[in-house]
Amino acid sequence: KAGVTQTPRYLIKTRGQQVTLSCSPISGHRSVSWYQQTPGQGLQFLFEYFSETQRNKGNFPGRFSGRQFSNSRSEMNVSTLELGDSALYLCASSGLDRLAEQYFGPGTRLTVT
Amino acid sequence: DAKTTQPPSMDCAEGRAANLPCNHSTISGNEYVYWYRQIHSQGPQYIIHGLKNNETNEMASLIITEDRKSSTLILPHATLRDTAVYYCIVSTRDSNYQLIWGAGTKLIIKP
Repeated sequence: KAGVTQTPRYLIKTRGQQVTLSCSPISGHRSVSWYQQTPGQGLQFLFEYFSETQRNKGNFPGRFSGRQFSNSRSEMNVSTLELGDSALYLCASSGLDRLAEQYFGPGTRLTVT
Repeated sequence: DAKTTQPPSMDCAEGRAANLPCNHSTISGNEYVYWYRQIHSQGPQYIIHGLKNNETNEMASLIITEDRKSSTLILPHATLRDTAVYYCIVSTRDSNYQLIWGAGTKLIIKP
């Protein structure tokens, strides 16, 4: 089985721009979660999608949004980028029965200048 | 805030068992204990989880105390490739669960 894939792997943007990151879950997985990882704050939960609906949301501003498509692929969008948004963005997928063993992708490294 | 406490770092000799402790004194009856690890520059990797019974899989063993206030992850024969940050997380398994990640334990396997 192919693992979780994320594109792009690296991205450089300037302040004020917006960015869209993509995640393809493991085949058959319907839950996709997004995390932000920074050296200072560690891994922080952004949101989770299940069957195209946002089911859980972390404590991030509205500039961070996401969506999930009918094939379970997910995208997250960050608008009006700030320097503090520089981070590794990780996507994880879980199986149909919602067991919490999550399988992570390699992440997208976003640098905001 | 994370509901777990782990030592920030540990060393272990290659070939020996690595025992990583985790305190979760406020764990609720319906919360599971999960262990993940993150090797440098990679996404986290699921290792094992348990509720109250000890668990074993091909990667590791999980020992949970009877009062469930602490647990230990055991890597039976550590190799250099086991060098990573190990995260202990407690979470429910219902639809509202969130994995709240602490700082983890940086495990260094030494030759």
